[in-house]
Amino acid sequence: DGGITQSPKYLFRKEGQNVTLSCEQNLNHDAMYWYRQDPGQGLRLIYYSQIVNDFQKGDIAEGYSVSREKKESFPLTVTSAQKNPTAFYLCASSISPGNSNQPQHFGDGTRLSIL
Amino acid sequence: DAKTTQPTSMDCAEGRAANLPCNHSTISGNEYVYWYRQIHSQGPQYIIHGLKNNETNEMASLIITEDRKSSTLILPHATLRDTAVYYCIVRPAQGAQKLVFGQGTRLTINP
Repeated sequence: DGGITQSPKYLFRKEGQNVTLSCEQNLNHDAMYWYRQDPGQGLRLIYYSQIVNDFQKGDIAEGYSVSREKKESFPLTVTSAQKNPTAFYLCASSISPGNSNQPQHFGDGTRLSIL
Repeated sequence: DAKTTQPTSMDCAEGRAANLPCNHSTISGNEYVYWYRQIHSQGPQYIIHGLKNNETNEMASLIITEDRKSSTLILPHATLRDTAVYYCIVRPAQGAQKLVFGQGTRLTINP
């Protein structure tokens, strides 16, 4: 099945640790995105990538880092500099960046909690 | 970005058509109307989108008024699995990297 796979589904982190969330897509999409969702809130854009080896900051990039070495993969690292990392993290992809006639498709998310 | 207004919650009987309204009175001519839904603890699911014309796919129909200031998402035969939060989103035609989700409508399908 074609789609977006996020792993793990649940992740626990001790304070001061970096953690990396995985996002893989087999849709051959050029653009990939990371969003954060807090309880009862809308989605906020963390980072996006329009093409391999290129990525841009979104609205809340501080404390996060990404890489885009392969078209199908866009991992997100939550660093110890992120002071409030507990949230639901969502990865999305779309065929082409910035084209509003193409929908973004989402994975099932990773729920990160601080121990 | 144009703002959207949706009812906070709605109920619908199983097997009936669910009609979800959205007001986007400040929409510009080149902005698309998108609908997503989110079932608890899952990622948002794309449903349908349109610019001016009404659209239909295997999941739903989208009816956009002639002045484009409002739209209605129609789920023709609602099932219990359609219980979710439904989001109406307006996207500019170019350069829009992020989706802006509002509070959405919590739709409950009752047996």
